[in-house]
Amino acid sequence: DSGVTQTPKHLITATGQRVTLRCSPRSGDLSVYWYQQSLDQGLQFLIQYYNGEERAKGNILERFSAQQFPDLHSELNLSSLELGDSALYFCASSVGLSGRDSGANVLTFGAGSRLTVL
Amino acid sequence: DAKTTQPTSMDCAEGRAANLPCNHSTISGNEYVYWYRQIHSQGPQYIIHGLKNNETNEMASLIITEDRKSSTLILPHATLRDTAVYYCIYTNAGKSTFGDGTTLTVKP
Repeated sequence: DSGVTQTPKHLITATGQRVTLRCSPRSGDLSVYWYQQSLDQGLQFLIQYYNGEERAKGNILERFSAQQFPDLHSELNLSSLELGDSALYFCASSVGLSGRDSGANVLTFGAGSRLTVL
Repeated sequence: DAKTTQPTSMDCAEGRAANLPCNHSTISGNEYVYWYRQIHSQGPQYIIHGLKNNETNEMASLIITEDRKSSTLILPHATLRDTAVYYCIYTNAGKSTFGDGTTLTVKP
């Protein structure tokens, strides 16, 4: 157990639907990161939050949104789902803020949420 | 985005040292190099990180060249359980970008 909790582990839904993936970071970590891993694209960075604020954005689609709450858990919302959104979604957490890399930005990953869009 | 270059795949005999290279020629002076591995579809697992000096922990050793443009991860005695995809990354503008990594296959 890495200490990063992701729910649900598996999710099957239909095109056009909306889902929410949840992540609880490791105790003491302030940063949360979301990654998407599909079969043909490897690990794609989506977005990072630090202590409730968005800090970095990757290739996140406009149909996707995320937030980090005061208790530091984060949610990734995926809407108007398409077949191509089927993937593993990983959440990771770290102690520090990546913009000031002090070696404290070791990422601890959760087990992932596997989304299947039919 | 931070860009690293790694060989697509490597083989290693069980019990031998596995040396995985990584090129990170655009890394800045204060950016650390991190190594992770991913076994099957599990979440990536942290291995080691370093800035300038060589580092060693219970899992591996990290050798960073003096110009910091490349590094090598060394698994001193590879086992079958070390078969995985190995990623080297660094953080740039807040983004920890993973490339395609190296698929290491340890063979009996």
